[in-house]
Amino acid sequence: NAGVTQTPKFQVLKTGQSMTLQCAQDMNHNSMYWYRQDPGMGLRLIYYSASEGTTDKGEVPNGYNVSRLNKREFSLRLESAAPSQTSVYFCASSAQTLLQHFGDGTRLSIL
Amino acid sequence: AQSVTQPDIHITVSEGASLELRCNYSYGATPYLFWYVQSPGQGLQLLLKYFSGDTLVQGIKGFEAEFKRSQSSFNLRKPSVHWSDAAEYFCAVGATGGYNKLIFGAGTRLAVHP
Repeated sequence: NAGVTQTPKFQVLKTGQSMTLQCAQDMNHNSMYWYRQDPGMGLRLIYYSASEGTTDKGEVPNGYNVSRLNKREFSLRLESAAPSQTSVYFCASSAQTLLQHFGDGTRLSIL
Repeated sequence: AQSVTQPDIHITVSEGASLELRCNYSYGATPYLFWYVQSPGQGLQLLLKYFSGDTLVQGIKGFEAEFKRSQSSFNLRKPSVHWSDAAEYFCAVGATGGYNKLIFGAGTRLAVHP
């Protein structure tokens, strides 16, 4: 089982460039999430989608946009990348419960 | 506001020694509690969870955790650590209402000496 798949795994951008991080899950989960992980700060929620067709802001949404393309896919877009957005990004999904399943992450560096 | 505190940023233990990782939470209602492990370059894997019932929960890889409501704690334990346990460990509390939200602690990085 693939579970939650994130692409790309690594990316280097220049300040001001745009990029979309892709996430797909094959578990028929309703809810999907995007987190960022920074040293000493754990995981912080950027955006979430409780169900297909809905998206909402999390704790740190500034500088990001999301699209819930269908039930399987939830993308995260950086319109104008900034060095402060250098981080590891994780996508997760869950059914009706709190039990979230995580992808392997995208390591993003912005120069 | 809900929060999770993991007081130890780094812990080093010898292989075969026992391990306890601390986690304290702040949450007004009955908490749903989780421990995740992250190996280098990997995503987060669920070790164990507490929703209700027996306060001592067993997880994968020989880990267990005990929920103590009076201390607002959910400490992770393992009686004998293996070198492969070296990783970062995250405690999380789950909050319902609106959407299913996980609040993570900052993590504890475990190093294991041979």
